Amino acid sequence: DVKVTQSSRYLVKRTGEKVFLECVQDMDHENMFWYRQDPGLGLRLIYFSYDVKMKEKGDIPEGYSVSREKKERFSLILESASTNQTSMYLCASSSGRLGNSPLHFGNGTRLTVT
Amino acid sequence: QKEVEQDPGPLSVPEGAIVSLNCTYSNSAFQYFMWYRQYSRKGPELLMYTYSSGNKEDGRFTAQVDKSSKYISLFIRDSQPSDSATYLCAGGELTGGGNKLTFGTGTQLKVEL
Repeated sequence: DVKVTQSSRYLVKRTGEKVFLECVQDMDHENMFWYRQDPGLGLRLIYFSYDVKMKEKGDIPEGYSVSREKKERFSLILESASTNQTSMYLCASSSGRLGNSPLHFGNGTRLTVT
Repeated sequence: QKEVEQDPGPLSVPEGAIVSLNCTYSNSAFQYFMWYRQYSRKGPELLMYTYSSGNKEDGRFTAQVDKSSKYISLFIRDSQPSDSATYLCAGGELTGGGNKLTFGTGTQLKVEL
C-alpha cells in the first residue's frame, strides 16, 4: 500500500517565519505534488515535481518554493509566512510520466499563521 | 468560472438511499476523470477513475461521464453511514510530465441511520 507521510499534522507559526513542510513517499513514485485546501476553494495545486531536482509551478505558486533533493522527499517552503497562508496543505504522489496515474495523498498538515 | 463546478452540499440522505453526486466542467482538454473520497481529518483517497464517456461500476459505486454535456456523476447505491464524507470530482489532462488534475470544491455527504 502506498504511504505518503507528512511530518506534522498541526503547525502554528508566526507571521514572517520561514516554514518547512516535509513529505515522504515510500513507493518510488516519480511525481510529487503540493496542494492547499480551503473551504469553498477546494484543492489548488501549488507546485509539483516529476523528477529529482525538477519542479514546476502549479496554479498558486506565489509565496512558496519547493525542494526535491531525493526521489522520495518533497518539501514545501514558505519563505515568510503570512496569515493568508493559513490552510490545510496536502502532499500527493503518483507514478509514471503519462500523466494519468491516480494521486495518493498524505493526511495533510493544518498550518495556522498568527 | 471555475473549470470544475461542484455543489458543496451538505447533502443528507437516509441509510439505504441512492445518492447522486454531480459535477460540471468547462475544460474540453480533460481526457480522464476521477472521484476522490475524503473523510474528516484525512487526505483524499481515489474512489473511481474513468477515461471515456459512459458508465463504470465498482461495487456500490457507479461513475458516469457525459463528455458532450461536460457532466460527470457518481452514484452510490445502498448508501451506508460509512459513506459519510466529502466527495471530490476532478478532471485531468494527459500532459506527459506529471499529471495536472483540476478538482471541484467537493460535496459533503451525510448518510443518517
